[in-house]
Amino acid sequence: KAGVTQTPRYLIKTRGQQVTLSCSPISGHRSVSWYQQTPGQGLQFLFEYFSETQRNKGNFPGRFSGRQFSNSRSEMNVSTLELGDSALYLCASSYFTDTQYFGPGTRLTVL
Amino acid sequence: AQTVTQSQPEMSVQEAETVTLSCTYDTSESDYYLFWYKQPPSRQMILVIRQEAYKQQNATENRFSVNFQKAAKSFSLKISDSQLGDAAMYFCAYTSPMEYGNKLVFGAGTILRVKS
Repeated sequence: KAGVTQTPRYLIKTRGQQVTLSCSPISGHRSVSWYQQTPGQGLQFLFEYFSETQRNKGNFPGRFSGRQFSNSRSEMNVSTLELGDSALYLCASSYFTDTQYFGPGTRLTVL
Repeated sequence: AQTVTQSQPEMSVQEAETVTLSCTYDTSESDYYLFWYKQPPSRQMILVIRQEAYKQQNATENRFSVNFQKAAKSFSLKISDSQLGDAAMYFCAYTSPMEYGNKLVFGAGTILRVKS
C-alpha cells in the first residue's frame, strides 16, 4: 500500500497570505489528523477529520481550518499567515481510532 | 490534562550496544494506547512500536521492545544491538480513543546519537 502523501513538501509565503496544504491518506483509512511541529512548542494536535466530519480540534486560532473530502483526502488552510506559523505540518491517517501513520510533512516558511 | 514526559533530552549509545529511552505519562483513563515514533533527519515520523494499555505483555518489534509499567505510568523503549540507522529523535505518544478520538499527545522527544 502507498503511504500517506502530503503536498506540497515545501512552501514559502509572506505574512498576511493564506496557504492550503493537502494530505492523501493510506487507501482505506478514514481518519486524517493534522499536527504542527515547531522547535519551541514541539508536536501539537491541530484537528482530526473522520468521514468528512471534524471529530476533534486542538487549541489553535480560527485561522487554522480544515476539511475532508469523500475520498478521505484532507486539506488544511491557514489564513492571514503570521511569522509564528512557520513549522513542519504533519498529516497522519488511520483506519478508525487506532495507530496513526504519518506523511513526510510540509515545511512552511513565513517571511 | 493528559501529559507525556520524556526526561532525557539526549542519549548516546555505542553501535551494537543497548539503550533505554524513558517516558512517563499521566492519565485517569483505563483504556489508552502508547506509541514510540522515530523521526530521523528526513523528518518523516515512523512508527516504532505500540502498546495497548489493557495488554499486560510488553510489545516487541525485532530489536525494539518496551517496558510498560501501568501502575507507575511508565513506558520505556529498549533498543538492542543499536545500529547507525537508529540515530533519530524518538517521541513517546499517548492517545485515549474514548476521550480524544485519534488525538496523539506527544512528549518533547529524545535525541538518540549512535557512535560507531
